[in-house]
Amino acid sequence: GAGVSQSPRYKVTKRGQDVTLRCDPISSHATLYWYQQALGQGPEFLTYFNYEAQPDKSGLPSDRFSAERPEGSISTLTIQRTEQRDSAMYRCASSVDTYNEQFFGPGTRLTVL
Amino acid sequence: AQSVTQLDSQVPVFEEAPVELRCNYSSSVSVYLFWYVQYPNQGLQLLLKYLSGSTLVESINGFEAEFNKSQTSFHLRKPSVHISDTAEYFCAVSLYNFNKFYFGSGTKLNVKP
Repeated sequence: GAGVSQSPRYKVTKRGQDVTLRCDPISSHATLYWYQQALGQGPEFLTYFNYEAQPDKSGLPSDRFSAERPEGSISTLTIQRTEQRDSAMYRCASSVDTYNEQFFGPGTRLTVL
Repeated sequence: AQSVTQLDSQVPVFEEAPVELRCNYSSSVSVYLFWYVQYPNQGLQLLLKYLSGSTLVESINGFEAEFNKSQTSFHLRKPSVHISDTAEYFCAVSLYNFNKFYFGSGTKLNVKP
């Protein structure tokens, strides 16, 4: 695609529900990143993929968070049993490889009530 | 551990005035440095970056930043701002392998007529 897209743009859910966020990277990009951005803070690294491999998931805050990229293109971030502290903007970025500029999507604003 | 500090959360300035957005980092290893900009309702966009070579780097829209290793700083400057520069600016560092970015908390630049 022309840029990185994310869906949904906004998600409101109740505490305890599972949510899945989607990222569609630029089609030629091998590397995909997920970030969490709390209000008033900068983005914080969650995990990244090189194609379908996930070399680093050290930033995932708990085992309720998981990410997939099964075919090396579209990625999903799933949060199970959501908690209010999960409320944040979730940003996806992609790059040609890990040595090049990251292109960011518009983000998904998650609100957990 | 790496960290990035942007002391100014908001910077109001009048159009055509100069501006400096401050960024300091801490790291025990060599890093690469970036400034990203986020315009309203858009994703983060790379503004400029320092990888090696000249410590002064410039963007196409008149911003510049200087890497100061002794002061561990990468301040962003523009001699004359425009209304269209109103946005949030994020400083970021990454280790040599680019796999993980560390962002500052952001500075909102508000350019007034």
